[in-house]
Amino acid sequence: NAGVTQTPKFRILKIGQSMTLQCTQDMNHNYMYWYRQDPGMGLKLIYYSVGAGITDKGEVPNGYNVSRSTTEDFPLRLELAAPSQTSVYFCASSYSGAPNTEAFFGQGTRLTVV
Amino acid sequence: QQPVQSPQAVILREGEDAVINCSSSKALYSVHWYRQKHGEAPVFLMILLKGGEQKGHDKISASFNEKKQQSSLYLTASQLSYSGTYFCGTAYNDMRFGAGTRLTVKP
Repeated sequence: NAGVTQTPKFRILKIGQSMTLQCTQDMNHNYMYWYRQDPGMGLKLIYYSVGAGITDKGEVPNGYNVSRSTTEDFPLRLELAAPSQTSVYFCASSYSGAPNTEAFFGQGTRLTVV
Repeated sequence: QQPVQSPQAVILREGEDAVINCSSSKALYSVHWYRQKHGEAPVFLMILLKGGEQKGHDKISASFNEKKQQSSLYLTASQLSYSGTYFCGTAYNDMRFGAGTRLTVKP
């Protein structure tokens, strides 16, 4: 079982460039989340989605955009990359609402903006 | 609003016990606990729900005080494999995590 798959695993971007972090899950989960984790710090919620076509902002949405056109995919778009966006990005999914079910995490994308 | 965890770090010898605390300023429906090893993704440990239901790890115990909006994770007879950073998460439609507690277990 693949679970939650993130690509790429590593990426170096130059300031001002854009990129899309891919996340796909094969568990038919409705809920999906994007987090960022700065070195030695906790997980900050960027965006989340409760189903295809529905997205909402988390704690730190500025500089990011998301879309959810299918149940399986939840890409995260960085526009005009800045050094402050250097971080490890985790995608997660859960079957139903977060209160009741565990979240499964992808292996992360390590992004460096130089 | 993020939950608040304490302590920030704990160092134990194998076989010793530890308690990690999590509190929230918002009323909680459930609390999640995850462990993250260095360089890896967080892994689910437990969910504690209002009304006392728990789901998760057989060898780890936790409590959930709904009135005080607090949860505690109890690690007893710690093993080297318990080392890592522990996060509590408070969940509504989204899920927000505390800053983490770094646990180091030494031989």
